Amino acid sequence: DGGITQSPKYLFRKEGQNVTLSCEQNLNHDAMYWYRQDPGQGLRLIYYSQIVNDFQKGDIAEGYSVSREKKESFPLTVTSAQKNPTAFYLCASSSRYRTQETQYFGPGTRLLVL
Amino acid sequence: AQSVTQLGSHVSVSEGALVLLRCNYSSSVPPYLFWYVQYPNQGLQLLLKYTSAATLVKGINGFEAEFKKSETSFHLTKPSAHMSDAAEYFCAVSDPNTGNQFYFGTGTSLTVIP
Repeated sequence: DGGITQSPKYLFRKEGQNVTLSCEQNLNHDAMYWYRQDPGQGLRLIYYSQIVNDFQKGDIAEGYSVSREKKESFPLTVTSAQKNPTAFYLCASSSRYRTQETQYFGPGTRLLVL
Repeated sequence: AQSVTQLGSHVSVSEGALVLLRCNYSSSVPPYLFWYVQYPNQGLQLLLKYTSAATLVKGINGFEAEFKKSETSFHLTKPSAHMSDAAEYFCAVSDPNTGNQFYFGTGTSLTVIP
């Protein structure tokens, strides 16, 4: 089945620790996205990638980093600089980075701070 | 910049009653509009999208939405609510001037009363 997988489902972070969230898609999509979801705030864009080896900051990129070395993979690292990382993180992809393209979402990773 | 307003963070309807979830957007150019549904601890699933074809858009699970340019609205409706419709609903807009960046509303939680 084609789709987007995210792992782990739950992730715990200790103070000062960097953690990496995985996102993989087998839809052959060019564009991929990371969103953060907090209660009552909807989804906010962290980073996006239009194509392999390219990525751009979204609205809330501070404290996060990404890479896009393979078309199917777009991992997100939450660094120790992100002071309030507790949230639900959603990865999405679209066939191209064009306005009318639907974004398809993975099941999400919930990050909690110990 | 784009913005999306979803009036009513919580909506309750009786089973079999009409569902109406409101979405208004701000845009200086005709946007593309999307409705997504999210069940607890899951990703977002596309219900329907408007891409400047027919103004009345039919989606999955019996939902539909009507694009009204004069009112800058894209309200979601369903004639008869089912228990399985209980979920969080998000309206999103894609701005032709910013590629495929989506701007999400803050969501409406739908409760269906038996």
